[in-house]
Formats: sequence, structure tokens, C-alpha cells
Amino acid sequence: DAKTTQPNSMESNEEEPVHLPCNHSTISGTDYIHWYRQLPSQGPEYVIHGLTSNVNNRMASLAIAEDRKSSTLILHRATLRDAAVYYCIPLNQGGKLIFGQGTELSVKP
Amino acid sequence: DVKVTQSSRYLVKRTGEKVFLECVQDMDHENMFWYRQDPGLGLRLIYFSYDVKMKEKGDIPEGYSVSREKKERFSLILESASTNQTSMYLCASRRQGGNTIYFGEGSWLTVV
Repeated sequence: DAKTTQPNSMESNEEEPVHLPCNHSTISGTDYIHWYRQLPSQGPEYVIHGLTSNVNNRMASLAIAEDRKSSTLILHRATLRDAAVYYCIPLNQGGKLIFGQGTELSVKP
Repeated sequence: DVKVTQSSRYLVKRTGEKVFLECVQDMDHENMFWYRQDPGLGLRLIYFSYDVKMKEKGDIPEGYSVSREKKERFSLILESASTNQTSMYLCASRRQGGNTIYFGEGSWLTVV
């Protein structure tokens, strides 16, 4: 399983963009890059995933480096409800989801 | 919407008791998972099941067993609960070959 490195914590102000980085230098060619987040007292929820191209959905954008060794989750306008632990997880289809420590994002009003 | 339901949100059990944690999903998913989450240790995979009657050990299977008799239900069993199994337990499911994994809300187990 590919290893990931994420900052332990980050802070953001409400309404500002947030860039959450992840290094996954040992990722294999068939692994998708998944991002999940876990709100307090809840199970993790899917945010976004991608393989090579940048991806956008209603929750966030995912920017993937050309060499695929790193990626950045972008929240365009952070809200208080975005305060959570964000996990970056390389995963091949049908593989096991292995969580690292994630980044705890706090959002200040 | 996919729904993964964990039958008990909060449980308190005594040391040595047999404990069942039940999980049901309503989307006909083949794959199901059990994790536990502890402060400072993150989420760790206990067992997973690719399909009915199939199971594989995750990273920390010791002290646990599982049962998958029906596709929609995946049970985690603590044969003899111990205090070090006090934790939050999360169930998840996924369509075979799918990219998205859906989690339940978690079961907080306290063993006294």
C-alpha cells in the first residue's frame, strides 16, 4: 500500500480558499487518489477522487501533480461545516481503504 | 442514497461478555468492512468481506471475528470483550470494483 504524508493540522478563515496537500510518492500507476473527510462524531465521507487529471465536484477540487506523487484538495470557500479531518488515500479499484493520520482542518469565523 | 446502518450507536459491556456489532447496507454492495478508530491511532482495518461468506483479516483482527451470511449484513463479534477493545467501530460498504466507500455513523463501545 502506498504511504501518504499530510500535515497534521491546518487553519483557515471562513470564506477563504483552503489547499490541503498530500504526498504519495510511492503510489502505483493504477491507484486512484481518494480524499475522504471525517466530521466530528461521524463516520468518514467521500469527498473526491481522481487518477491523473484534475477533478471538480460540488464539494471540492482535486489537483494532481503531473508525476502523480502529490495532490492537493482545494476547498474554494471554507465554511465552519468544513472543519474535519481530511484523509488522502491512494487506492486501486477493489482495494482496501487504508487510512493515515490525515489533516485536521479548523475553520475560524 | 446509500445507507449503511450500524444497529447500536452506544454500548456498554462487561469484560468477558460476547458482543455483536451489526451492520446493514441497502445498496446490494459486495464489499463490506469493519474498522476501529482510536485517538492517536486513526482508523484501522479489522476485517473485510468481498462477498457473502467470504472474509479476510485486516491489520488488527486479533480478538475479533466476523460473520457474513447475507449480502446486506456484516457482523463484528467480540468473543470475550476486553477493556482494550473500548473504541469507536465503523462499518463500511462498497460495490465490487467501485471507487466510493460508504461509512456508517459509528458504534461507540465501552468495555468495563
